[in-house]
Amino acid sequence: AQKITQTQPGMFVQEKEAVTLDCTYDTSDPSYGLFWYKQPSSGEMIFLIYQGSYDQQNATEGRYSLNFQKARKSANLVISASQLGDSAMYFCAMRGSTTDSWGKLQFGAGTQVVVTP
Amino acid sequence: NAGVTQTPKFRVLKTGQSMTLLCAQDMNHEYMYWYRQDPGMGLRLIHYSVGEGTTAKGEVPDGYNVSRLKKQNFLLGLESAAPSQTSVYFCASSYGQGVVYEQYFGPGTRLTVT
Repeated sequence: AQKITQTQPGMFVQEKEAVTLDCTYDTSDPSYGLFWYKQPSSGEMIFLIYQGSYDQQNATEGRYSLNFQKARKSANLVISASQLGDSAMYFCAMRGSTTDSWGKLQFGAGTQVVVTP
Repeated sequence: NAGVTQTPKFRVLKTGQSMTLLCAQDMNHEYMYWYRQDPGMGLRLIHYSVGEGTTAKGEVPDGYNVSRLKKQNFLLGLESAAPSQTSVYFCASSYGQGVVYEQYFGPGTRLTVT
């Protein structure tokens, strides 16, 4: 069975600072994908970044980067130079490759980020 | 492109009533999913479909039924609503089912069962 754990229920960060959101996972699948989604107060789910388990380099997308440590089973999201518009709930999710997990996204409980001026 | 749309956006039901949530996507995606989101629990998969005419159970399927008669539409039905089904429901779709394919989400439907 797959499991995603986000241990930070909420955090405050000052504008222009960097913030790291923790995500650990557990799976026995030989390959898997890790995703981060942003959910602002308006409610929609916005895809941010993807990391494949066999990718040699950490994924980056603009101000978002994923600190992937496979041996530790962690996939932390780093947001650089925080902006007020980054205030939102952030979800880590995983997708496996075996028959049981094929195609299914398993989500963590989320981390609420509040960016202050 | 509208992406993934959901109808309705809000709904209040009384216990025992039935309703259908409609999801539509215009991206020609093969795979579609229904999730529910409850406070503090993230999203959980209810049912999913790997193509027109096929459906499968997810993590929390009890009390729900689904149908995928057309590739672009995925319907979620509640035959006899219960207060425990009060939640925000999200539909999603993806081009493929492999680990690399991201899911595109609809705006959500907020359902309250009294």
